[in-house]
Amino acid sequence: GQQVMQIPQYQHVQEGEDFTTYCNSSTTLSNIQWYKQRPGGHPVFLIQLVKSGEVKKQKRLTFQFGEAKKNSSLHITATQTTDVGTYFCAYVQTGANNLFFGTGTRLTVIP
Amino acid sequence: EAQVTQNPRYLITVTGKKLTVTCSQNMNHEYMSWYRQDPGLGLRQIYYSMNVEVTDKGDVPEGYKVSRKEKRNFPLILESPSPNQTSLYFCASSYRALNTEAFFGQGTRLTVV
Repeated sequence: GQQVMQIPQYQHVQEGEDFTTYCNSSTTLSNIQWYKQRPGGHPVFLIQLVKSGEVKKQKRLTFQFGEAKKNSSLHITATQTTDVGTYFCAYVQTGANNLFFGTGTRLTVIP
Repeated sequence: EAQVTQNPRYLITVTGKKLTVTCSQNMNHEYMSWYRQDPGLGLRQIYYSMNVEVTDKGDVPEGYKVSRKEKRNFPLILESPSPNQTSLYFCASSYRALNTEAFFGQGTRLTVV
């Protein structure tokens, strides 16, 4: 079952401020993925991290996978109103075969 | 166009009346799964399937059934729906569970009264 905590549950920021969401696991993860769900929409894949210590960037988004492969973060620089939505981490535990999702962080951006 | 199609998008039903939510993908994916989404609880996995005729329980399988007779289809069956199954349901598919992107359907908003 789910052993990954995602924090915070909610985050309100002024447009232009930075935002970070974290996923923390008690066990080692095979990989971690990040998804974004716009209000009223379905989750859409953003990125996958596989290697220990991996860092990937997509424009204003920076994704990190911890050295121990037990935690990950998504950081958005200078948020825009288009960043509004819920961000989920998703993971496959080492030795398992199914994809679980974190509880998500709902981001609100105030113009 | 590569997609996962769920039907219906919205459904209101009464307690105990059997229903099926269909899910079909056109990407020849091996792995398919069902999730329910409830406020504050994120996406919880109901069932998943590694391939045809191979299904297994996720975190919250009680009250649900699935089948995988064909690679493209993975219907979710509620034999006797109850109000606590009121939720937003998503079907997803990916080439494999591990190391591949999951594609989601548009979702099915189910209300059981």
